Amino acid sequence: QVQLVESGGGVVPPGRSLRLSCAASGFIFSNYGMHWVRQAPGSGLESVAVISHDGSRTYYADSVKGRFTVSRDNSRTTLFLVMNSLRRDDTAMYFCAKDDKLTPLDYWGLGTLVSVSS
Amino acid sequence: IVMTQSPLSLSVTPGQSAFISCKSSESLLHTDGPTFLYWFLQKSGQSPKLLIYEVSSRFSGVPDRFSGSGSGTDFTLTISRVEAEDVGVYYCMQGIELPHTFGQGTKLEIK
Repeated sequence: QVQLVESGGGVVPPGRSLRLSCAASGFIFSNYGMHWVRQAPGSGLESVAVISHDGSRTYYADSVKGRFTVSRDNSRTTLFLVMNSLRRDDTAMYFCAKDDKLTPLDYWGLGTLVSVSS
Repeated sequence: IVMTQSPLSLSVTPGQSAFISCKSSESLLHTDGPTFLYWFLQKSGQSPKLLIYEVSSRFSGVPDRFSGSGSGTDFTLTISRVEAEDVGVYYCMQGIELPHTFGQGTKLEIK
C-alpha cells in the first residue's frame, strides 16, 4: 500500500535553514508528481511546492518562492524540501502528498512539524 | 485562484443532510473537458483525505452518502444521512492551476 513518511522537522531560529524528507513506498515513485502542503496551527491548508515526476518542473506558492526548493531522488524514492531564510510564519505541519492526473493529492503522509522560534 | 467556502462551520443532526458551498474566482473547467474541483476531509489529528475528484466522482472507499455537484465556479458537497464519523473539516481545492489552492475549510459538528 502507498506509504509516505515525512521527517526532518524541528525547532529552528528565524533566518536559519531546514531540510525535510519524504520517504515513499508502495507505488512507482518515478511515475508521479509530488506535493508539499503545510498547515499552520489552527489554520487551513496551503500548497507550497509541487514537483513533476522526473523533477524537471517545479512550482511554488508566492509565500515561499525564492526561499524553498523542492527536489527528488527517484533512485531513493525520496522527496525533499529545503527551506531557507525561515520566518515565524513558516511554522506549520508539513505534509507530503502523492499526485495523480485524475486524483491529485490522493495519498498523504502524517506530516512533520516545523517550528520557527528564537 | 481564490477558493471561498461557506459556511465556515455547521452543526447537523445525525441522519440529516449537510451542504457545503465552494466558489472559485475563475472557472475550473479545462479546455479538454474536465472540471478540476476536489473535496477533502481532515479529521482531528489526521492528515487530509481525498473524498471527491473532478466535481462529482467519489474516491476509492468513500461512502455514497458523499456527493458533489456544480460547474464552472460554483460547487457543492452534499453529505446525506450525516453520521458521527463525518465530523471534521472539509476543504475544496482547485486543480487547474499549480500550485493548487484550497478553500478556508468548513468545520462539521454533530448536534
